[in-house]
Amino acid sequence: DTAVSQTPKYLVTQMGNDKSIKCEQNLGHDTMYWYKQDSKKFLKIMFSYNNKELIINETVPNRFSPKSPDKAHLNLHINSLELGDSAVYFCASSPSGFSGGPTDTQYFGPGTRLTVL
Amino acid sequence: DAKTTQPTSMDCAEGRAANLPCNHSTISGNEYVYWYRQIHSQGPQYIIHGLKNNETNEMASLIITEDRKSSTLILPHATLRDTAVYYCIVRAERGLSNFGNEKLTFGTGTRLTIIP
Repeated sequence: DTAVSQTPKYLVTQMGNDKSIKCEQNLGHDTMYWYKQDSKKFLKIMFSYNNKELIINETVPNRFSPKSPDKAHLNLHINSLELGDSAVYFCASSPSGFSGGPTDTQYFGPGTRLTVL
Repeated sequence: DAKTTQPTSMDCAEGRAANLPCNHSTISGNEYVYWYRQIHSQGPQYIIHGLKNNETNEMASLIITEDRKSSTLILPHATLRDTAVYYCIVRAERGLSNFGNEKLTFGTGTRLTIIP
């Protein structure tokens, strides 16, 4: 009965490689997010998608390309990985939408720890 | 930029109430106060949120001052599993101008350690 799941949990790769992280939510939510938590534990929004449409792009390098094949999935593809991309990446979802109320709650996945060597 | 100020760390004895303060002196009328926590190596977990009135759920209570410039999260009977970083976040209510832009802006939070 996992709500928000991410794969893989750990990802170790070489600089310059291309990798993807997958996220799936079974909550029926309209909006999904990607957050990045760096080594200093700062947690920052990267992207949000609402019904497969990009809503937020927080000045993330274009090496990062989110893809939402359907409302339940938001994958993150990273090209030409750099050392500074090492971090924990969290996916989240929320039930926001026109039918929602004034507020909503975001549910986070367990995170993917990316290490670039 | 985070709009809240929290102590860097706090300790609380197991079984006692943990009171975590948060200052949000620039909060706007349509902004809610949210609390999340992050247990080591896990994703952030929603705890509670409120606008003006005090709120209580199965996890915690939220006390918001009358001027809304500060709030306190109360864990009534802290257990060792409550050791985590607690984030206080202010966020505007959803409207047409910010529809879909419901990002959470995390600050540095308070590292709460429950002492056996």
